[in-house]
Amino acid sequence: GESVGLHLPTLSVQEGDNSIINCAYSNSASDYFIWYKQESGKGPQFIIDIRSNMDKRQGQRVTVLLNKTVKHLSLQIAATQPGDSAVYFCAELRSSNTGKLIFGQGTTLQVKP
Amino acid sequence: NAGVMQNPRHLVRRRGQEARLRCSPMKGHSHVYWYRQLPEEGLKFMVYLQKENIIDESGMPKERFSAEFPKEGPSILRIQQVVRGDSAAYFCASSPLPGKRSNTEAFFGQGTRLTVV
Repeated sequence: GESVGLHLPTLSVQEGDNSIINCAYSNSASDYFIWYKQESGKGPQFIIDIRSNMDKRQGQRVTVLLNKTVKHLSLQIAATQPGDSAVYFCAELRSSNTGKLIFGQGTTLQVKP
Repeated sequence: NAGVMQNPRHLVRRRGQEARLRCSPMKGHSHVYWYRQLPEEGLKFMVYLQKENIIDESGMPKERFSAEFPKEGPSILRIQQVVRGDSAAYFCASSPLPGKRSNTEAFFGQGTRLTVV
């Protein structure tokens, strides 16, 4: 069936290093891909999104890369900080009529001081 | 401008009781989405509502679960005769418009953590 999945459940990085979180998706008809950050006990917080007709988008310290050929999405965080520690979810936007999101399982990012 | 408000933040129910979860969308938002998150998992879509209408309930269990978004007041997710498997975090998101660009700016509430004992 269709799904959005993440490669690694946990990623541990040193403070100041760059982090790369990966995601695979299976529905090539999706219009948007979004990265969310979820801190413990809180709701998902929007980080960055990318349209399916783009292959790269940059924000503040974050970059999202989309490779439609292999249906792969990644989130790069530059100079990772302790405040970046959280669970990161990729989500896929299908059905432009309803706008519901299909979430992946999540990757826990642990930043070591 | 307050964000999406969900209450209660924590809810404990005994098996067989009813659970009512409330969601007040952001001001000016008339579209509400409910998601469920089991421990160590991602969020799963449940239902999408506009004022007084259920637009997409493809993620709702067939029995015991219902949702509404009345003309006045918050959206309500209702779970009847709760079972232990209903224990999860339930998140509400709201947006001003459905669809592509606007939904990527959907704002999530802090969630209601339901524990069934």
